[in-house]
Amino acid sequence: GAGVSQSPSNKVTEKGKDVELRCDPISGHTALYWYRQSLGQGLEFLIYFQGNSAPDKSGLPSDRFSAERTGGSVSTLTIQRTQQEDSAVYLCASSSTSDRGDETQYFGPGTRLLVL
Amino acid sequence: GDSVTQMEGPVTLSEEAFLTINCTYTATGYPSLFWYVQYPGEGLQLLLKATKADDKGSNKGFEATYRKETTSFHLEKGSVQVSDSAVYFCALSETGNQFYFGTGTSLTVIP
Repeated sequence: GAGVSQSPSNKVTEKGKDVELRCDPISGHTALYWYRQSLGQGLEFLIYFQGNSAPDKSGLPSDRFSAERTGGSVSTLTIQRTQQEDSAVYLCASSSTSDRGDETQYFGPGTRLLVL
Repeated sequence: GDSVTQMEGPVTLSEEAFLTINCTYTATGYPSLFWYVQYPGEGLQLLLKATKADDKGSNKGFEATYRKETTSFHLEKGSVQVSDSAVYFCALSETGNQFYFGTGTSLTVIP
């Protein structure tokens, strides 16, 4: 089946504008993750969804960032009042779930965000 | 808290050279350990994993052994190829709620 898809692939916006990034996980995967990859940096965890449970938002850098996952499938990451430091590649990953945390994450191609 | 530390790059090797990329971790319990790879222009993909101490993960000629006593999961390959040029990320997960990734090591293999 299809892998994880993300849209748009590239987004250029002006400082202060809001942006929405979309992630469509692999069908049947109950876990969905958002990460941020800045130039020269590793992957920064942002948020995690598991089924119908409350999301783990501990990685969101500020209250300008929010995410939702509708119907346990598609997820949208919203950044309000974008700042230049928000420029990065935003990655989405999905996985099935095990209590042991040994499930493989499948990553999307990412959305490259540039805030001017 | 949990964390992963991997050797900084970039690493440049000649084809057929031996590769080691060091990775050490800090965890409160018994994590699963992973190596992910990001080839130029592509998304991250799993390279190999190990879920308990002394397990060896292997794939595409790469190997890594889960060493609990040294809290390490070093990536090795006996003879690298140009096609191995990529960025390699070490990662751990204990509960599946969060994955912790290292900062990545860029590898360039020259003919």
